[in-house]
Amino acid sequence: KAGVTQTPRYLIKTRGQQVTLSCSPISGHRSVSWYQQTPGQGLQFLFEYFSETQRNKGNFPGRFSGRQFSNSRSEMNVSTLELGDSALYLCASSVDPRLGGANVLTFGAGSRLTVL
Amino acid sequence: AQKITQTQPGMFVQEKEAVTLDCTYDTSDQSYGLFWYKQPSSGEMIFLIYQGSYDEQNATEGRYSLNFQKARKSANLVISASQLGDSAMYFCAMREGTGGFKTIFGAGTRLFVKA
Repeated sequence: KAGVTQTPRYLIKTRGQQVTLSCSPISGHRSVSWYQQTPGQGLQFLFEYFSETQRNKGNFPGRFSGRQFSNSRSEMNVSTLELGDSALYLCASSVDPRLGGANVLTFGAGSRLTVL
Repeated sequence: AQKITQTQPGMFVQEKEAVTLDCTYDTSDQSYGLFWYKQPSSGEMIFLIYQGSYDEQNATEGRYSLNFQKARKSANLVISASQLGDSAMYFCAMREGTGGFKTIFGAGTRLFVKA
């Protein structure tokens, strides 16, 4: 069974550019969550999608956006990149968030973004 | 509001000994799930163990066990017989059961296993 696939794994951008990251969940998983991980802030929740709808959003500026497609694949976009956006972006899929507290996240390997 | 607290930034343990990583949480929900994840230097988050708030028995998965004390709102991870490969960051996480559609993570504890 294939795991969660994130692309690209590494990328370098300059300030002001925009970036799109992709996440393909485990087959049968209907929910995708995104996290930003930095040494100073730890794992910060960005958003969670289920059935192509954003169900929750973390405390990030509007430059951070995402979407989910009908096949559960998800993309996140960061526009007008800033130096502070340099981070590891982790995607996680889960079976069904309506399971509530039992909904276990399975993570991808992450996309490491460096903003120069 | 949900909150996860891990007060140990770093821990050392001798190979083959047991170690306990602390985690306390705060929630007003009665239904919630608690998780532990391991993140090796490669960066990928690996799910270790899950405990539901209504589970009466502590969860166990191989060498991992979760010491769940609901009244104290603590969910400590116990790793028995530590191995060099256990050296990694460990994150405690919580997800509320009422459809909050969000799993939050603590700051993590870096575990060093000494030979």
